[in-house]
Amino acid sequence: AQSVTQLGSHVSVSEGALVLLRCNYSSSVPPYLFWYVQYPNQGLQLLLKYTSAATLVKGINGFEAEFKKSETSFHLTKPSAHMSDAAEYFCAVSEQGAGRRALTFGSGTRLQVQP
Amino acid sequence: SQTIHQWPATLVQPVGSPLSLECTVEGTSNPNLYWYRQAAGRGLQLLFYSVGIGQISSEVPQNLSASRPQDRQFILSSKKLLLSDSGFYLCAWASMRTYNEQFFGPGTRLTVL
Repeated sequence: AQSVTQLGSHVSVSEGALVLLRCNYSSSVPPYLFWYVQYPNQGLQLLLKYTSAATLVKGINGFEAEFKKSETSFHLTKPSAHMSDAAEYFCAVSEQGAGRRALTFGSGTRLQVQP
Repeated sequence: SQTIHQWPATLVQPVGSPLSLECTVEGTSNPNLYWYRQAAGRGLQLLFYSVGIGQISSEVPQNLSASRPQDRQFILSSKKLLLSDSGFYLCAWASMRTYNEQFFGPGTRLTVL
C-alpha cells in the first residue's frame, strides 16, 4: 500500500526566503510522485511530477523537487518565496503498474509568505 | 486541449434534501474520473473513481453515490444530505495512458444547513 506524509501542516517564510516543503512516501513498487498547489476556493493545479526520469524535477513558478529513493522523500523547494506563493500544497503518489488507478494525497501544507 | 467543468460552483442545501453535482470533461476520451471532498481545514478525501461507463469504485462508505452515464460525465448524488456532507467537492480526470497524473476541476462549495 502507498502513503504520503507531509511534515508540517503550516509553514511560514519571509518574502525572498527559501521555501522547503517536506514530503515522504511509502510505496511497495517504484512510485510516480506529484506536487499540486491549491489557491483558495480553487481546484488543484499540477506543479511538477516525477516519473522515473531525472531525479531533479523542475516545475512551474520556479519550484523544483528532488526524488531521493534512499530517503523515500520528494521535498519541494523554491529559492526565493514570493507573496503569490501563499497557498496550500499537496504531495501525491501513485504506484507504477498498480491496478488501482488513483493518487494517494498527503494531508497538505499551508504556506504563508510574510512581507 | 482538455477542459473539465463542474457545476454548480456553490450550493446551499437544507439537511435531508437531495444532491446532484455534475462534472464533464472535454477534449479526451475514456478518461478515469474521480470525486474528492475537502472538509474545512482538512486534506483531500477520495470518494469515488471510475475507469469506464457504469464502472464505479467507492473508496469510503457514506451517504453519497456516484454514476457515470456517459464517457465524459460523472455525477455525485445523495438522496438525503447530512450536515457532515458540507465541504468543497472536486472532480478530476486522468488519462489511461499517463502516470495517474490528475487534472482538477474548479470545485463546488456545498453548504448543508
